[in-house]
Amino acid sequence: QKEVEQDPGPLSVPEGAIVSLNCTYSNSAFQYFMWYRQYSRKGPELLMYTYSSGNKEDGRFTAQVDKSSKYISLFIRDSQPSDSATYLCAMSETGNQFYFGTGTSLTVIP
Amino acid sequence: ETGVTQSPTHLIKTRGQQVTLRCSSQSGHNTVSWYQQALGQGPQFIFQYYREEENGRGNFPPRFSGLQFPNYSSELNVNALELDDSALYLCASSSGGERGYEQYFGPGTRLTVT
Repeated sequence: QKEVEQDPGPLSVPEGAIVSLNCTYSNSAFQYFMWYRQYSRKGPELLMYTYSSGNKEDGRFTAQVDKSSKYISLFIRDSQPSDSATYLCAMSETGNQFYFGTGTSLTVIP
Repeated sequence: ETGVTQSPTHLIKTRGQQVTLRCSSQSGHNTVSWYQQALGQGPQFIFQYYREEENGRGNFPPRFSGLQFPNYSSELNVNALELDDSALYLCASSSGGERGYEQYFGPGTRLTVT
C-alpha cells in the first residue's frame, strides 16, 4: 500500500466552479500536510500547508485535514483557467522527508 | 530574493555513465532536499542535507549520493546510470528550524538515460 493515494484524474471543470481535490494516507504519524501546484515542465509551487488537523483558508483556496479519517482536501473556489495544472499533496512526520501523491491533473475550461 | 536554481536544464546520458546535478538554494536557506519525479508520478524523496550533513534518506540505492557546500548549494551524483533513472530531478530548499517544512522547489533537471 502506498503511503499517499491521490486520484490522478484528469479533472475538467468550467470556469467559476468549485474544485475539490483529495488525498488519503496510511501513516497516522503524518503531521505536516502540504499542497503544491505544478505547471507543465516546472517545479512544484507551494500553495498551502497545514500542521496537524483542521482547516486553513488563503484567498480562493481552503485546505482541510481530517486525521481521524486520514483524509485531506483542497478546495478551489471560483476556479480560473490559470488554475489549470497538476495538484500534488505531500505529507511528512517530521517536516523534512515528504511523501507525495501522484498528482491530480486539473483543467479549467473558459 | 533569488529562488532555487538548478543546472543543467536537460541532460542525456548513456546507461552505465555517471551524472552530477547542481542546485543553488534560495537565499537564507540552509537545507536542501532532492527528489526524483518519474513521468506521471509524484516526487520521491532521495535525501536531504542540512548544514553540509545528510539529514535523512529515502529508499534509493547508494549509487545516489550527494554533497552540500558551505554556501548551502548542493550536488546530486548518480553512478552507473540505469534506464529507470530517467526522470525530472528536483531540488527543494528550506530554512530549517520551525519553518523547515516549507520547501521551495527549483525548476528541475530532466535526465534522459538511453
